[in-house]
Amino acid sequence: NAGVTQTPKFQVLKTGQSMTLQCAQDMNHNSMYWYRQDPGMGLRLIYYSASEGTTDKGEVPNGYNVSRLNKREFSLRLESAAPSQTSVYFCASSLDRVGGYTFGSGTRLTVV
Amino acid sequence: ILNVEQSPQSLHVQEGDSTNFTCSFPSSNFYALHWYRWETAKSPEALFVMTLNGDEKKKGRISATLNTKEGYSYLYIKGSQPEDSATYLCAFPHETSGTYKYIFGTGTRLKVLA
Repeated sequence: NAGVTQTPKFQVLKTGQSMTLQCAQDMNHNSMYWYRQDPGMGLRLIYYSASEGTTDKGEVPNGYNVSRLNKREFSLRLESAAPSQTSVYFCASSLDRVGGYTFGSGTRLTVV
Repeated sequence: ILNVEQSPQSLHVQEGDSTNFTCSFPSSNFYALHWYRWETAKSPEALFVMTLNGDEKKKGRISATLNTKEGYSYLYIKGSQPEDSATYLCAFPHETSGTYKYIFGTGTRLKVLA
């Protein structure tokens, strides 16, 4: 039972490059989320998807796009990376309000 | 804007000390309150899910209580050990327009000194 799988674990990008962070869960969870974690800022929600086919903006959506490809997969795309997007990115999924989150292992992204 | 507040932001305790932290959340439309333990360079791991007023959950030396009427939860660690050093997060599911997302506190960073 893999839980939530994020790829890649590490990435270095040059300013202006694009990339997609992949996230997949095998727990049949309805909702999926992308967060970024910066020093002193805690977890900030970028985008979330309450169910297959729907996506909504979180606190810090600018510079990102998402795709809920199917129930299992939720990807995060940086179209033109900026140094301000250097962060650790976490994907998470949840079944319902009570079940809580299962987190992926994180992607450490550096934009130079 | 909903706030989930945690206090203190950080604390240092000596090995063997007992300690506790607070999570404050909106008392209306309560579904559940979650506690997570987050070690450096790892992802958050679930500790407790608390759903009923007066709930008390325990896992080893760590326990938590819940007061939904006044909107707070306490996390207690008895006899702290260096391996307890981590950030402890609480999270509150908030529903808007038929969907929900979890609102996280900024966490309490605990350092246990050997």
